[in-house]
This record gives sequence, structure tokens and C-alpha cells, in this order.
Amino acid sequence: EVQLVQSGAEVKKPGESLKISCKGSGYSFPSHWIGWVRQMPGKGLEWMGIIFPTDSDTRYSPSFQGQVTISADKSISTAYLQWSSLRASDSAMYYCARSGGGTSFDHWGQGTLVTVSS
Amino acid sequence: DIVMTQSPDSLAVSLGERATINCKSSQSVLYSSDNKSYLAWYQQKPGQPPKLLIYWASTRESGVPDRFSGSGSGTDFTLTISSLQAEDVAVYYCQQHYTTPQTFGGGTKVEIK
Repeated sequence: EVQLVQSGAEVKKPGESLKISCKGSGYSFPSHWIGWVRQMPGKGLEWMGIIFPTDSDTRYSPSFQGQVTISADKSISTAYLQWSSLRASDSAMYYCARSGGGTSFDHWGQGTLVTVSS
Repeated sequence: DIVMTQSPDSLAVSLGERATINCKSSQSVLYSSDNKSYLAWYQQKPGQPPKLLIYWASTRESGVPDRFSGSGSGTDFTLTISSLQAEDVAVYYCQQHYTTPQTFGGGTKVEIK
């Protein structure tokens, strides 16, 4: 069974750094792109970026380029999303998702809620 | 970026009736080499992650009830729920998976009338 398990909820202060994770199991992790999607409270889905764990080829949405860093460690089947300096506007639910054969997201993590508040 | 525009923003449909959601892309998402439109539909229920329903515009994901169907090609697409069930109350999103960034539509909230 394909599973993506994300790290737990985080509460941070503005200016702090953060790295959240997404661990895949039940499939060949290096062989599928993993994407990150933001959902702000009460809002829609925003595609942030995607990484191919085999060679760490990464594509970002222009809206998120330079704001976050996406990485992956294929040896432990885990993808990451990180911030060097959080802002209150980064408060949101963040989902990781696997790109399937059709390149759409066929499996999703449970989500990581990030709250940034002073 | 390809802009995805969904309509309506919300709709209320009686149980057993048809629900229709539209999605339009700002440029074609038809890949000429395989003649497939790279358009997906997702369902998101409150407190849950999205769930893939349809990809390549009309291919139903495994396990998705056949009351859900997708149609369209190029820039204009439709998700149809042929007979709305109570468990179909959710927000539905379209997404182009043709090119990065793989943009989403704004969502359509489906409720029971």
C-alpha cells in the first residue's frame, strides 16, 4: 500500500527556520516525483514545487521560488520542505503528494499544519 | 503559468440529481504526442487531503465510483456527478498536469439542496 506520512504540526515564531518531512512507503520512492501543495486557511490549493528523488531535479512555482527549498533523501525515502525565515503568511496546511503514472497527484500525505505567530 | 478557471464557485444539488462543474485553462493542455489532455480532478472533504478522481481529463482513478465522469479536451473541461450522493459533499478542484507549475483551479463547493 502506497503511503505518504508527514511530520507533525509545528508552531513557530516569525523569523525562525523550519523543515517538514514526507516519508514514502509501499512503492519505489526514487521513481516518482513528489510535490508540495499549500492550502491557506479556508482557501484553495496552491502548487508549490516538485522533486524527482532519483537525481533531485526540482521545479518550483514562480510564486514560491526563493521562498522555500524542496529536497529529498532517497536513501530514507523522504522529501522535505524548508523555510529559512518564516513569516506569519506562511501559516497554512502543507501537503506532499506523489505524482503517478499520469503525472497527476495520485497519493497524498495527511498534511502538516504550520502556524507562525509571535 | 497556465491559469485554471472553475465555475461555478458553488452549487447546491438535490440528492440523486446531476452536478456539473466546469474548468477552463488559459492555454491548451493537450499533449500532441499522445493526444491526451493533462487535466485532473480532485475531491476534498473537510479536514481531509485531496483525493484524485480523474486524470487525463476522463480516466477515472481506481476505486472511484462510476457516477463521477470527466470530459473535455484542449482548454474546456467538465466534471459530472451523475447522481449526487450525500458523501459527495466536498470541494472539487481541477488541475492541469501538463506543465510545471501544475496549477489548480479555485475550487467548486458542492452542497445538498
